[in-house]
Amino acid sequence: SQTIHQWPATLVQPVGSPLSLECTVEGTSNPNLYWYRQAAGRGLQLLFYSVGIGQISSEVPQNLSASRPQDRQFILSSKKLLLSDSGFYLCAWSLGGSEAFFGQGTRLTVV
Amino acid sequence: AQSVTQLGSHVSVSEGALVLLRCNYSSSVPPYLFWYVQYPNQGLQLLLKYTSAATLVKGINGFEAEFKKSETSFHLTKPSAHMSDAAEYFCAVMVSGGYQKVTFGTGTKLQVIP
Repeated sequence: SQTIHQWPATLVQPVGSPLSLECTVEGTSNPNLYWYRQAAGRGLQLLFYSVGIGQISSEVPQNLSASRPQDRQFILSSKKLLLSDSGFYLCAWSLGGSEAFFGQGTRLTVV
Repeated sequence: AQSVTQLGSHVSVSEGALVLLRCNYSSSVPPYLFWYVQYPNQGLQLLLKYTSAATLVKGINGFEAEFKKSETSFHLTKPSAHMSDAAEYFCAVMVSGGYQKVTFGTGTKLQVIP
């Protein structure tokens, strides 16, 4: 069966520090991968999606970047965090025509 | 472009009452539609999905939703609310073909009053 792992679960980082959140999927090949951010009262905002290794599409201009170095690995990064980067980050995967499956999320607090 | 609109960011119902959470979609081609539930500080769990088969879709925990093309709606219902239904609910749309991007609504927080 397929599983998705996302870590860390919580993270507190100072302003200006780098960020790396990792997501891996097991039990499937060539999934579509997604990074979402959930800010209070703003629902789910799609940040990046990827349909294959090295193929990243950005939905909104921002301080973050994403990479997909392997088929089932999706990384969210920042060189210098801003206060506005705080939020709940969710990784998800899907296959063609199917629903998205979510990780448990990372609560990022930038201080 | 595809989108969903959830009417009402907060909905309150009494325990045992009907739950109705509204979702309208916009899509230039036949969509796939989903409802997810999120409990605090957790990921999203799929409640049900519509993929162009039966228009009335039954999901987990007694929830169901009806796809109405003429109204571009996919409202979520449950006949009798339970305290454990208190959570945030998200409607989502996906258009098959291309990159199958999933787009979510802004969510509806359901409060169940004892």
